[in-house]
Amino acid sequence: DAGVTQSPTHLIKTRGQQVTLRCSPKSGHDTVSWYQQALGQGPQFIFQYYEEEERQRGNFPDRFSGHQFPNYSSELNVNALLLGDSALYLCASRPGQGAYEQYFGPGTRLTVT
Amino acid sequence: GESVGLHLPTLSVQEGDNSIINCAYSNSASDYFIWYKQESGKGPQFIIDIRSNMDKRQGQRVTVLLNKTVKHLSLQIAATQPGDSAVYFCAENMKRDDKIIFGKGTRLHILP
Repeated sequence: DAGVTQSPTHLIKTRGQQVTLRCSPKSGHDTVSWYQQALGQGPQFIFQYYEEEERQRGNFPDRFSGHQFPNYSSELNVNALLLGDSALYLCASRPGQGAYEQYFGPGTRLTVT
Repeated sequence: GESVGLHLPTLSVQEGDNSIINCAYSNSASDYFIWYKQESGKGPQFIIDIRSNMDKRQGQRVTVLLNKTVKHLSLQIAATQPGDSAVYFCAENMKRDDKIIFGKGTRLHILP
């Protein structure tokens, strides 16, 4: 049974560019959350998707957007990249809205130059 | 506002000794607390959780204690092993908000 998978593993972009990160949840999970983890910090909640809709959102600008597909996989899009967007982007999934335990993927390391 | 913090950024422990990692939280409305372990290059890994109506929960070699009076959470790791080296995060969740709030983390360093 595959866990949460994310692609790509690493990514280098230039300021002002746009990026799309992808996540496949653990089998049987329908709720996906995205987190940003700056170096030396704890993960910060970006948003959560359930039934192809954004259900919760953290304190992130509209440059950060997402999507969830019918197969529960998800994308995170970041527009107009800033140097400060350099971080590890983590995807987490869980089996439904009522479940507390989340399973994290290995993350995508984004570097903005 | 909501916040989860940790008392020590780095903890060094002799192999075989017990480790205690502490965490303070400020939101009394939180109803669920989690400890995660994050190894280098990996995503956070769930260790153990506890609901706000409990004060202690035990797992395999780990125990979480919750003191709601002083808003304090701790993770105890028995007989610390080299494989326990990682950054440990405490996190809190409020069911009504349905998001997890992480603290900054404590690095556990195992001395030979």
